Order: sequence, then C-alpha cells, then structure tokens
Amino acid sequence: GDQVEQSPSALSLHEGTDSALRCNFTTTMRSVQWFRQNSRGSLISLFYLASGTKENGRLKSAFDSKERRYSTLHIRDAQLEDSGTYFCAAEANTGGADRLTFGKGTQLIIQP
Amino acid sequence: VTLLEQNPRWRLVPRGQAVNLRCILKNSQYPWMSWYQQDLQKQLQWLFTLRSPGDKEVKSLPGADYLATRVTDTELRLQVANMSQGRTLYCTCSGRDRGDERLFFGHGTKLSVL
Repeated sequence: GDQVEQSPSALSLHEGTDSALRCNFTTTMRSVQWFRQNSRGSLISLFYLASGTKENGRLKSAFDSKERRYSTLHIRDAQLEDSGTYFCAAEANTGGADRLTFGKGTQLIIQP
Repeated sequence: VTLLEQNPRWRLVPRGQAVNLRCILKNSQYPWMSWYQQDLQKQLQWLFTLRSPGDKEVKSLPGADYLATRVTDTELRLQVANMSQGRTLYCTCSGRDRGDERLFFGHGTKLSVL
C-alpha cells in the first residue's frame, strides 16, 4: 500500500483564510520535505524537516519528532499566488536521502 | 538561480522510438543527481540516484524502460524506451555531502507518445 498518504486531495479557499495539509506515513520516516508545483509543472522546495517545526513567512511545517509518522503544512492568510499542487515527500530510514516517496498531492485553489 | 538545466520542456515521441534526455548541473555544491518521473495522474516516483561519473542503472516501470547514466560531474542522462504512456521526467539535485538534504527540481521534460 501507499507509504505516504496525503490529505485532502483538493482544497478551495478564499483569500485571507488559513488551511492545514497533512501527510501520514505508514512507517517511521527519517525526514520529510514539502513542495509546491505550479501550473507550468515547476516544483519548488518549501521545507526540509528532520524533526520539529519550521516557518517561512505565511507557511509553517511540522514533523512529529516522536513517532515520525506524520507531517503538517499550515498556510496562514492564503493569497492567490499560493494556488498550486502541494506534495509531501518522505525519506525512509533505509532508502537514501535522495530517494523520496511522494504523496499524491493536494490541489489548492485560492479564490478572491 | 537555476541549479539544473533540462531541455527541452516537451518532446513528442513516436511509439516504439527511444528518446534521450540530458540534465546539466549548474552548481557543483549539489552533486547528488537523480531522476524522478511524474505520471499523468501527477504521482511522482523516484527512479535513480547517480553520484559518480560512470554510474549507470536500468529500470523497467509500467509504461517505460529506463537507462540512466552519470556522464560527468555535471551531466546526467536518461534514455527512455518502449514508452506507452506519457509522463514528465524531472532531474533533481541535492547537497547532502554538505548536510543540505533539500531536493531541488529541474523544470522537467514532458514526454507525449505519438
């Protein structure tokens, strides 16, 4: 089965609202990364976490340091430019740092 | 600043014909290079990680056969053969030798079957 379960699969928000995306892992993971893919297909690195939380502007991500089986991405005060598909990707303990397993993505639409 | 150069952005591939893709690393601080595929349902999947010149690997997945080669410290190649379904191939790099394990993506090459 899927090792990385991402939810929700799609989300539509109005500007100015907050949202949370989540990834659950079926096994303990060493690290997690979050990416955003725009309409042209470009994938941008948002966060790398081996534990704890990181914040960058209106984005904040957390990786459960104890069980290492889920991660969240919070978007505060959503803006139109936040639209895109968000992917989480996890590194298993035995896979190697560049070998990431991706979730199916959350398609996020921000409306005026 | 672009770390990876992948061209072209789109290729039309006649059924039964192989295609060769190149990826050029623009910053030697991120020498770990990999290939990922994204299928038509947007699922991303790791294919290969090749660190050293001369490294070569093959893999068969549903819808395509792959041969990846690390040609030089800055060039990674991928041959895609027997492709029956379209997909996008992304080159990635990371700097885990220096403790930077973030994965950076090239713009990708979208392959469509003719």
